[in-house]
Amino acid sequence: KAGVTQTPRYLIKTRGQQVTLSCSPISGHRSVSWYQQTPGQGLQFLFEYFSETQRNKGNFPGRFSGRQFSNSRSEMNVSTLELGDSALYLCASSLGGGDLHEQYFGPGTRLTVT
Amino acid sequence: KQEVTQIPAALSVPEGENLVLNCSFTDSAIYNLQWFRQDPGKGLTSLLLIQSSQREQTSGRLNASLDKSSGRSTLYIAASQPGDSATYLCAVSVNQFYFGTGTSLTVIP
Repeated sequence: KAGVTQTPRYLIKTRGQQVTLSCSPISGHRSVSWYQQTPGQGLQFLFEYFSETQRNKGNFPGRFSGRQFSNSRSEMNVSTLELGDSALYLCASSLGGGDLHEQYFGPGTRLTVT
Repeated sequence: KQEVTQIPAALSVPEGENLVLNCSFTDSAIYNLQWFRQDPGKGLTSLLLIQSSQREQTSGRLNASLDKSSGRSTLYIAASQPGDSATYLCAVSVNQFYFGTGTSLTVIP
C-alpha cells in the first residue's frame, strides 16, 4: 500500500506571495492533519480534516487555510507569506479521527520564504 | 494546554548499549501516545502506538510503556545500532496530537 505523498517536496517563494501544498493520504484513510515544523517551535498542529470537514484547528493565523476533497486528498494554502513561514510542512493521515488512530506521515514539503 | 517534554534532548551511546528515552506530559486525559523517529530533513516514521487503556507495546528491539497517572512514557531500545541514530519524538493525543521537542540519538559504531 502506497504511503502518504506530498507535493511539491521543495518550494521557494517570495514574501507576500501565496502557496498551496498538496497531500495524498494512504488509501482508505479519511483523516488528514497538517503540521508545521521549525527548529525553534518544533512540530505544531495546524489543522485536521476528516470527511471534507475541518475537525480541529491549531493556533495559527487565518493566513493558513486548508481543504479536503471527496477522495480525501488535502491542500493547505498560506497567503501573504512571511519570512517566519519558512518551515517543513508535514501532513499525516489516519484511518479515522486523527487523535484516536495511528498517524502516518508524509515526507514533507520544505518551504523557504525569501 | 497539553505540554510534552522529552529528556534528554540529546544522547550519544556506543553500539550495543541498551537505552531509555523519556517523555512526560502534563494532562493525563489522553487518548493515546505515539512514538516516532525522524531522520534529518525527512518525515516522521511511526514506531509504536499505545492506546490509553494499554500499559506497553513492543516491536522488535523497541518497547514503549505508558503510565497515564504519572504522565510518563518511556521508549526502551535494546542492543542499539548505528542505524538507530535519529531524532525520537513522542506525541500525545487529546483532540489533536501534541509533540515533544524530541531526543536526538547518536549510536557510535
